[in-house]
Amino acid sequence: EAGVAQSPRYKIIEKRQSVAFWCNPISGHATLYWYQQILGQGPKLLIQFQNNGVVDDSQLPKDRFSAERLKGVDSTLKIQPAKLEDSAVYLCASSSLRGYSSYEQYFGPGTRLTVT
Amino acid sequence: SQQGEEDPQALSIQEGENATMNCSYKTSINNLQWYRQNSGRGLVHLILIRSNEREKHSGRLRVTLDTSKKSSSLLITASRAADTASYFCATLRVGAQKLVFGQGTRLTINP
Repeated sequence: EAGVAQSPRYKIIEKRQSVAFWCNPISGHATLYWYQQILGQGPKLLIQFQNNGVVDDSQLPKDRFSAERLKGVDSTLKIQPAKLEDSAVYLCASSSLRGYSSYEQYFGPGTRLTVT
Repeated sequence: SQQGEEDPQALSIQEGENATMNCSYKTSINNLQWYRQNSGRGLVHLILIRSNEREKHSGRLRVTLDTSKKSSSLLITASRAADTASYFCATLRVGAQKLVFGQGTRLTINP
């Protein structure tokens, strides 16, 4: 089966600009996650969707970050305006309902964002 | 907040040797998972161990879980250059709906 797809792979923007990331999960996976991974650290969950509803967005900086999953499949994560500290890798992951109780996740390759 | 803490932060060994990484956590868990991340890539799920299990094997991987000590270890036997990566433990706390990842162990296998 095809894996989790993300685009773009790399993005360089100036501070105060906006940026959007796209994720297509594994077909049939109901749960989708966006993580932020700062260099040298583990992934930090930003938002978790179950189908197109939000399960957890407690660590999403809502003044500048937004995410949507309108049809319960693809998802976009937006940052507006970006700050220097947003420089990180943004990872998308998905899991199936069968794996829902265990939360075993499949990750995409990530988008490396550099804010200058 | 990070639940799991890996130890050591970095490990460098010779090819063919065994590598052991440890993970400690603070609260009761449903399961603990180990993931691998190669440089510039996403994470790959390696193995999951449930709170009522003490040991699991998968190929050259062996995971143990000691819930009384709130710790887990990942053993990679007969290491290969391709095992060079960062390894993360992730815990699913009781009553929670999300994994919490540790800071990771950076493993380097020298030829």
